[in-house]
Amino acid sequence: DSGVTQTPKHLITATGQRVTLRCSPRSGDLSVYWYQQSLDQGLQFLIQYYNGEERAKGNILERFSAQQFPDLHSELNLSSLELGDSALYFCASSVGVGVGENIQYFGAGTRLSVL
Amino acid sequence: ILNVEQSPQSLHVQEGDSTNFTCSFPSSNFYALHWYRWETAKSPEALFVMTLNGDEKKKGRISATLNTKEGYSYLYIKGSQPEDSATYLCAPEGRGNKLTFGTGTQLKVEL
Repeated sequence: DSGVTQTPKHLITATGQRVTLRCSPRSGDLSVYWYQQSLDQGLQFLIQYYNGEERAKGNILERFSAQQFPDLHSELNLSSLELGDSALYFCASSVGVGVGENIQYFGAGTRLSVL
Repeated sequence: ILNVEQSPQSLHVQEGDSTNFTCSFPSSNFYALHWYRWETAKSPEALFVMTLNGDEKKKGRISATLNTKEGYSYLYIKGSQPEDSATYLCAPEGRGNKLTFGTGTQLKVEL
């Protein structure tokens, strides 16, 4: 158990809908990362938050947004869902942002199926 | 964007064999190199983070080396066991702590 909690484990929804994925980082970790893994694709970095502030952005679609709350948990919001958004979404956390502090601990993931 | 290549894509070895994989990455804008182990139906698990040219890290039967000048890292597994079966991912860390994951080397260790 990595200490990173993601809910829900599975989510089935329809095109056009909006969903929220939730992540609780390991105790003491300030940095949260979101990744997407689609079929036949590697882990794609979406976005990173550090202590409540957005720190880095990857290839995140405009339909997707995220935030990190004062208690450090994070939510990833996916809207106007399309079939191609079906994927495994991982959250990871790390202690800080310095080089060497960035060992990332991954949650179990949320599997999103858009029908 | 960092272009990360891992080889081989997959590998089947017998129990007790030693094996190694390669991770190639652009050497510019490099801050650190991460290795992760990803078992089927589980989440990626960190193995090593290396930052300096010539770094070597070891964890049990698994070790890794780093060459930042030429942009490659090797992961070695000595005396492979069935429980080593997993996908091994490397990820160079660029500016802003961004990890760019390779597609991995899928290892299957057979009895």
